Amino acid sequence: SYVLTQPPSVSVAPGQTARITCGGNNIGSKSVHWYQQKPGQAPVLVVYDDSGRPSGIPERISGSNSGNTATLTISRVEAGDEADYYCQVWHSGSDHPVVFGGGTKLTVL
Amino acid sequence: EVQLVQSGGGLIQPGGSLRLSCAASGFTVSSNYMNWVRQAPGKGLEWVSVIDRGGSTYYADSVKGRFTISRDKSKNTVYLQMNSLRAEDTAVYYCARDSPLDYWGQGTLVTVSS
Repeated sequence: SYVLTQPPSVSVAPGQTARITCGGNNIGSKSVHWYQQKPGQAPVLVVYDDSGRPSGIPERISGSNSGNTATLTISRVEAGDEADYYCQVWHSGSDHPVVFGGGTKLTVL
Repeated sequence: EVQLVQSGGGLIQPGGSLRLSCAASGFTVSSNYMNWVRQAPGKGLEWVSVIDRGGSTYYADSVKGRFTISRDKSKNTVYLQMNSLRAEDTAVYYCARDSPLDYWGQGTLVTVSS
């Protein structure tokens, strides 16, 4: 089965840029989606198809994907960005098509 | 407006059965992929099952043979029938549409304990 690897935690000061990575074998050939989850809430889609932004998601949040690494970038980080972030892909042709990364806790210092 | 409203869940003894429901509005469940995702306390998201537009179903190895996903077109509702429940099935369960999972239910807690 396909495996996605994320760092358990990332810390950044307010106003700085946070980068959260998601590693996978030739992940650049797949469409990567990112979710933000705050405590006690359901996840929210923040980036789809590598770099698309759903309505209502600020331009400060962006994504990229190449080679074996996809990256979620949050510019001008705010206290309200503190949350868990998960990457996800659709692994076509598999009996386990939906794959999540282990999640990254973003801490705003 | 797209909405997913979940029901079911609760406290159940090991070996017991439970059915979760996910009622959709604003779209037709049979025209979309519908997923169940769970999150154990303090843990990450774990995909559980999906039913595709044609009705084909897929399951995580951890639940295969014990859980069944289904849908009722007349009620525009997706279900997760959970049998032979174990302590490790304790989690908040979410239903979610498609991939990317663009809309999520509110989540429902399932606690398996004696």
